[in-house]
Amino acid sequence: EPEVTQTPSHQVTQMGQEVILRCVPISNHLYFYWYRQILGQKVEFLVSFYNNEISEKSEIFDDQFSVERPDGSNFTLKIRSTKLEDSAMYFCASSERLRGVYTQYFGPGTRLTVL
Amino acid sequence: GQNIDQPTEMTATEGAIVQINCTYQTSGFNGLFWYQQHAGEAPTFLSYNVLDGLEEKGRFSSFLSRSKGYSYLLLKELQMKDSASYLCACYFDRGSTLGRLYFGRGTQLTVWP
Repeated sequence: EPEVTQTPSHQVTQMGQEVILRCVPISNHLYFYWYRQILGQKVEFLVSFYNNEISEKSEIFDDQFSVERPDGSNFTLKIRSTKLEDSAMYFCASSERLRGVYTQYFGPGTRLTVL
Repeated sequence: GQNIDQPTEMTATEGAIVQINCTYQTSGFNGLFWYQQHAGEAPTFLSYNVLDGLEEKGRFSSFLSRSKGYSYLLLKELQMKDSASYLCACYFDRGSTLGRLYFGRGTQLTVWP
């Protein structure tokens, strides 16, 4: 069964450093998302992406964040200058649009720890 | 946001039935998902409801009442492996273009032998 994959599974970085989180969505999906989950809290939407453009972003997704689809398979989330409060699990998701519904399938996540 | 509420924790025994409730703001509501999340893992899709009524899928069923802003996930013949967090997530059509999901805090279900 096709699945979303993410690398790395864990990333530890120093405050102020840049990180890039990578995702390979399901191959026939056209809609891509990033969510995050701070430990013990709910899953929160960051951004959605379609046709090489950001479709929607939340208030969390400020100028320190960017997304890119550099080739036909990868979808990346970059955090330019990490802060302590960026420590969280970051989930990539992808979907197709079937009968008007975007059923999102999530990757296994990248656990980001900012020291 | 969107005030999606679900109980924090529930417990049940193997073989039993458990119902996990979820309430949400009805304004702009456009669909509801249930996901299962084991500790440290990704949410996995269980069900989707947009019309009133019950959707059955094996041991799991999900119910929706749009007028009441209420859904439940029913798990039958519980197994130990069903111990997980169950996440209620909604679409709202207020300017959302690609199905941005709003999640509840999740209900941690523990199944005892």
